[in-house]
Amino acid sequence: KAGVTQTPRYLIKTRGQQVTLSCSPISGHRSVSWYQQTPGQGLQFLFEYFSETQRNKGNFPGRFSGRQFSNSRSEMNVSTLELGDSALYLCASSLNPPGQGAGEQYFGPGTRLTVT
Amino acid sequence: DAKTTQPPSMDCAEGRAANLPCNHSTISGNEYVYWYRQIHSQGPQYIIHGLKNNETNEMASLIITEDRKSSTLILPHATLRDTAVYYCIVRSGYSTLTFGKGTMLLVSP
Repeated sequence: KAGVTQTPRYLIKTRGQQVTLSCSPISGHRSVSWYQQTPGQGLQFLFEYFSETQRNKGNFPGRFSGRQFSNSRSEMNVSTLELGDSALYLCASSLNPPGQGAGEQYFGPGTRLTVT
Repeated sequence: DAKTTQPPSMDCAEGRAANLPCNHSTISGNEYVYWYRQIHSQGPQYIIHGLKNNETNEMASLIITEDRKSSTLILPHATLRDTAVYYCIVRSGYSTLTFGKGTMLLVSP
C-alpha cells in the first residue's frame, strides 16, 4: 500500500507570495492532519480534516488555511508569506476519525518551504 | 504544558538494547502512550502505542508501569539506522498529537 505523498517536496517563495501544498493520504484513510516543523518551535499541529470538514485547529494565524476533497486528498494554503513561515510542512493520515478511539497517524516526507 | 518528560539525548552501542524512558505523571485514564521517531529531515514514523498493557511489535516493545506514570520504549537490537529523535506522546482518542522535544538517540558502532 502506498504511503502518504506530499507535493512538492521543495519550494522556494518570496515574502508576500502565497503557496499551496498538497497531500494524498494512504488509500482508505479519511483523516488528514497538517503540522509545521521549525528548528525553534519543533513540530506544531496546524489542523485536522475528516470528511471534508475541519475538525481541529492549532494556534496559527488565519493566513494558514486548508481544505479536504471528497477523495480525502488535502491541500493547505499559506497567504502573504513571511520569513518565519520557512519550515518543513508535514501531512499525516489516519484511519480513525477524530474522537473514535486512538489510532496511528502515518506521516508523509514533508514539503520543505523556504521563504526569502 | 508538556505532558511528557524525556531525556534530551541517549547513546547506545550497535547491537545492544536501547531503553528510552518517558515520564507522564499526569496521564488520564483515557489517554494512550504513543511513540514516534523522526530520522533527520524525514517525516515522523509511528512505532507503537499502548494504554496500560505492555505491547510488542516488529519494531519495538513498550513497557508501561502499573500506575501508568511512566513508560519505556525498548529497541531490542539497535542498529545505526535507529539513530533518530524519539518522541513519547500522550493523547486520547479525541486529541491531536502534541510533540515535545523528544530524545535524540545516537547509535554508534
